[in-house]
Amino acid sequence: DQQVKQNSPSLSVQEGRISILNCDYTNSMFDYFLWYKKYPAEGPTFLISISSIKDKNEDGRFTVFLNKSAKHLSLHIVPSQPGDSAVYFCAASPRDSWGKLQFGAGTQVVVTP
Amino acid sequence: DSGVTQTPKHLITATGQRVTLRCSPRSGDLSVYWYQQSLDQGLQFLIQYYNGEERAKGNILERFSAQQFPDLHSELNLSSLELGDSALYFCASSVAGTGYNEQFFGPGTRLTVL
Repeated sequence: DQQVKQNSPSLSVQEGRISILNCDYTNSMFDYFLWYKKYPAEGPTFLISISSIKDKNEDGRFTVFLNKSAKHLSLHIVPSQPGDSAVYFCAASPRDSWGKLQFGAGTQVVVTP
Repeated sequence: DSGVTQTPKHLITATGQRVTLRCSPRSGDLSVYWYQQSLDQGLQFLIQYYNGEERAKGNILERFSAQQFPDLHSELNLSSLELGDSALYFCASSVAGTGYNEQFFGPGTRLTVL
């Protein structure tokens, strides 16, 4: 049962434009959400997180938006750079559990010149 | 560099064998997590240890076991290996054990079972 879903397996965006990655979840017990970036042959790298008491969190070029009623979050990358080409994973953690993360399947982002 | 180290980087073995994967967490982190990433699946949580004690368990097979030692490093033991166990195995660590903290991942161990 996939409780965290990233329905877009890939995204192509031009350098300098905005990348928008989407993530949906089904478990209402999730209250902490994270985005990770992964390059081939490396482990996932933490990007940004948001707790359920907020609806937006910003860190440099990265902004995460949370819509609790829709059980939806998104990651905006502005402006997109060639080094942003990677697989992006959305992850969520339930409040009643020690810190295991449930990951989405990932979205491959390709930033073109 | 996340500060989490994993050895070995690659492991090739045969079906029926047993292997041990090792993880050293970031300095100061008390929690260690193990994840499996297969080709056709995303990152699947296996097990979490906090300060030497098991705290959470995912879909970890009975053939797999783990432990965290007093110096906080962790080992994941995989036995009676099957072809389907071929995957990337990641270790992650965090300062605390609850969900409100980021997990930092190691580079992974690629296991190939022939």
